[in-house]
Amino acid sequence: LAKTTQPISMDSYEGQEVNITCSHNNIATNDYITWYQQFPSQGPRFIIQGYKTKVTNEVASLFIPADRKSSTLSLPRVSLSDTAVYYCLVGAVDKLIFGTGTRLQVFP
Amino acid sequence: DGGITQSPKYLFRKEGQNVTLSCEQNLNHDAMYWYRQDPGQGLRLIYYSQIVNDFQKGDIAEGYSVSREKKESFPLTVTSAQKNPTAFYLCASTKGETGSNEQFFGPGTRLTVL
Repeated sequence: LAKTTQPISMDSYEGQEVNITCSHNNIATNDYITWYQQFPSQGPRFIIQGYKTKVTNEVASLFIPADRKSSTLSLPRVSLSDTAVYYCLVGAVDKLIFGTGTRLQVFP
Repeated sequence: DGGITQSPKYLFRKEGQNVTLSCEQNLNHDAMYWYRQDPGQGLRLIYYSQIVNDFQKGDIAEGYSVSREKKESFPLTVTSAQKNPTAFYLCASTKGETGSNEQFFGPGTRLTVL
């Protein structure tokens, strides 16, 4: 089973780009990598998902190197409302494993 | 609107009582999940079900039970055997497609044991 490792916390300022890296050395061939955002007392919210190379949507980019043993979530120009916990998720449908989560604090 | 609903939002239980948390989805998803989250911690998997009438234990299944009689419903019972049930409980579902693991989460139920 692919286990993930993330930094426990990160600080940033409004307007900066934030990159959060997740390590998943034992990722399986058919595993996707998914990132979620969670605010206090709410369910996690899907941000982005990828399998390899780079994926971009309206809120974030996901960079995955060729060996797929890590991934980096990139949040461009963060705002105060991006203060939350970010989870990296790796695995197929039958066994999903959440990472420890990274607590991002954005300061004015 | 399609989505996942959980009820109640807050639940209080006396020690020794069983309590059932509701989870319903109208997304036509095959797989459903229950997670537990303690303050300042990540999500831990309790049970999951990929099809109706079938479910598997997750990492912390002791003291919990589930049923999956209908595709759209996956209730969780917290039994008196669960020694420390006070936590935030989250239900989720996925389409069940091979490889993809995009989960849709409900708003959660906060259970407090008095």
